Amino acid sequence: RKEVEQDPGPFNVPEGATVAFNCTYSNSASQSFFWYRQDCRKEPKLLMSVYSSGNEDGRFTAQLNRASQYISLLIRDSKLSDSATYLCVVTARNTGGFKTIFGAGTRLFVKA
Amino acid sequence: GAGVSQSPSNKVTEKGKDVELRCDPISGHTALYWYRQSLGQGLEFLIYFQGNSAPDKSGLPSDRFSAERTGGSVSTLTIQRTQQEDSAVYLCASSLALAGSGNTIYFGEGSWLTVV
Repeated sequence: RKEVEQDPGPFNVPEGATVAFNCTYSNSASQSFFWYRQDCRKEPKLLMSVYSSGNEDGRFTAQLNRASQYISLLIRDSKLSDSATYLCVVTARNTGGFKTIFGAGTRLFVKA
Repeated sequence: GAGVSQSPSNKVTEKGKDVELRCDPISGHTALYWYRQSLGQGLEFLIYFQGNSAPDKSGLPSDRFSAERTGGSVSTLTIQRTQQEDSAVYLCASSLALAGSGNTIYFGEGSWLTVV
């Protein structure tokens, strides 16, 4: 089982749609959680951190469920510019210190 | 510098040659990470440094791969006797402290390696 798993997609949605991505992680000792965005042939960039209380940034809402070990990202009112790959990121302590694991990503295509 | 800087940005090398990839992290960042991403695939963790120390080398694919960091700043990733399966983009990232403490990881633009 992968340490961080995501639905690879692709998700094809029209402009204005609401889309949700889920991510599960296997290490119950995981401590920090993030969503990153990666555009085609570009480096990943932080979209938002994920907190147990949930957090919202404009059209984006991230939630963490520690009991079920999953993270979600909700995008409302999708824009063409939201087309990208969304990476779930989990950091956990291990014997060597900390390990930051990226999921394989979920691809989103927003169409006019 | 303003961001994570990597060089070369593109490298084409012949199978069997050695290559060295360089990463200059954001000034003041103590943690530095190397990831590899093959075309259309996710990020594969290779190694990270806390200062000059690499506590976890388990992600290095084989003994042909090595990395070092000196002076708590610049890091080099060396691939010896390159193979075609080494072709990928090698992404370096840094964070103020270890990402486990909630610090954001910032990526460089990557070094695109093609082994022919």
